[in-house]
Amino acid sequence: NAGVTQTPKFRVLKTGQSMTLLCAQDMNHEYMYWYRQDPGMGLRLIHYSVGEGTTAKGEVPDGYNVSRLKKQNFLLGLESAAPSQTSVYFCASRPIYSGPGYGEKLFFGSGTQLSVL
Amino acid sequence: DAKTTQPPSMDCAEGRAANLPCNHSTISGNEYVYWYRQIHSQGPQYIIHGLKNNETNEMASLIITEDRKSSTLILPHATLRDTAVYYCIGSSGGGADGLTFGKGTHLIIQP
Repeated sequence: NAGVTQTPKFRVLKTGQSMTLLCAQDMNHEYMYWYRQDPGMGLRLIHYSVGEGTTAKGEVPDGYNVSRLKKQNFLLGLESAAPSQTSVYFCASRPIYSGPGYGEKLFFGSGTQLSVL
Repeated sequence: DAKTTQPPSMDCAEGRAANLPCNHSTISGNEYVYWYRQIHSQGPQYIIHGLKNNETNEMASLIITEDRKSSTLILPHATLRDTAVYYCIGSSGGGADGLTFGKGTHLIIQP
């Protein structure tokens, strides 16, 4: 049981290049999330999904697209990378319900360090 | 999510109890208090949550004041591996749009 796996772990892009970050979870969770974290800051929600085939915008969605074609995978795409997208990206997942208050028990991946030059 | 206030940093000696405070004076009746921690360069890790009763698990204890305006996370015997950023979050516990993580408290365990 690997939990939440993110690939790649590190990536360097040039301005204008595109790339896709992959998040995979093996816990059969319905909900999945993409966050970004800038130095000295908390995490900010980019997009999320409440199930296969669904996506929704979070706090900072501009410049990103997502897809949830399979329940276990949540992809984050950058169509035209910008230096402002240099950040650490975290994926998280959780089940719909697993007890009182446990609705916000998120399981996080180890992150992807992205640099855009 | 309820607004929470935490000190930006704290020190604690190894082996002692680490007590991390959190103020959440605007928390509503149906909102839980969640604690997560983030060890350097890793993803956040869930620690514990509570509504109004004190809670304990294998990682920590959570003490919530009777008026629910503040809480304290207690790490009973802190080790160097407990050095991390600790986040206190107020949430109803059922929303689909995730949690809002602030800047948290950077806890440094001193040898």
